[in-house]
Amino acid sequence: DAKTTQPNSMESNEEEPVHLPCNHSTISGTDYIHWYRQLPSQGPEYVIHGLTSNVNNRMASLAIAEDRKSSTLILHRATLRDAAVYYCILRDFYAGAQKLVFGQGTRLTINP
Amino acid sequence: EADIYQTPRYLVIGTGKKITLECSQTMGHDKMYWYQQDPGMELHLIHYSYGVNSTEKGDLSSESTVSRIRTEHFPLTLESARPSHTSQYLCASSERLAGVLTGELFFGEGSRLTVL
Repeated sequence: DAKTTQPNSMESNEEEPVHLPCNHSTISGTDYIHWYRQLPSQGPEYVIHGLTSNVNNRMASLAIAEDRKSSTLILHRATLRDAAVYYCILRDFYAGAQKLVFGQGTRLTINP
Repeated sequence: EADIYQTPRYLVIGTGKKITLECSQTMGHDKMYWYQQDPGMELHLIHYSYGVNSTEKGDLSSESTVSRIRTEHFPLTLESARPSHTSQYLCASSERLAGVLTGELFFGEGSRLTVL
């Protein structure tokens, strides 16, 4: 399975944009890029996913490099409620959700 | 909002007791999962189910067992709890994967088990 690499932790300030990087140099052509986040004392929640093109939803934006070997999750205006562990995960087009591998993720701290 | 519920949220129990962690979802999802997560650590899949009467072991070996008699219900049981079972147990569900669908996982809030 293709692996992802994320920084262990990041820190940002409230109301500023946050760019969370993810490297996936061994990504295959059928791998989707998924992002989940886990708030303190909660189960993970889905944030966004994409294949090749940049994606936007109400929670975040996903910018995917042209060679797909890296991606960036963008929180446009961070709030204190965005403090969480963010997981970047690859899922093969044909694979079930049981193949999602939650690594260490990036622990995001938001300063007031 | 995800409609997946876990009970109890917190459980402190003595060694040797039998425990069952309940998980129910009202979304009609075929697939359900149990993950184990120690504080500050990664999630590990311990069991999953494709549907009624289907159960499979996950990537992490676990002494727990699961059953799937009804679509909406996926309980996890430990016949004899030990301190090494102390952890957080997270239940999740997803729709049957179909190509461009996300196959998104919906998680419950977790059951934090402490075995003394």
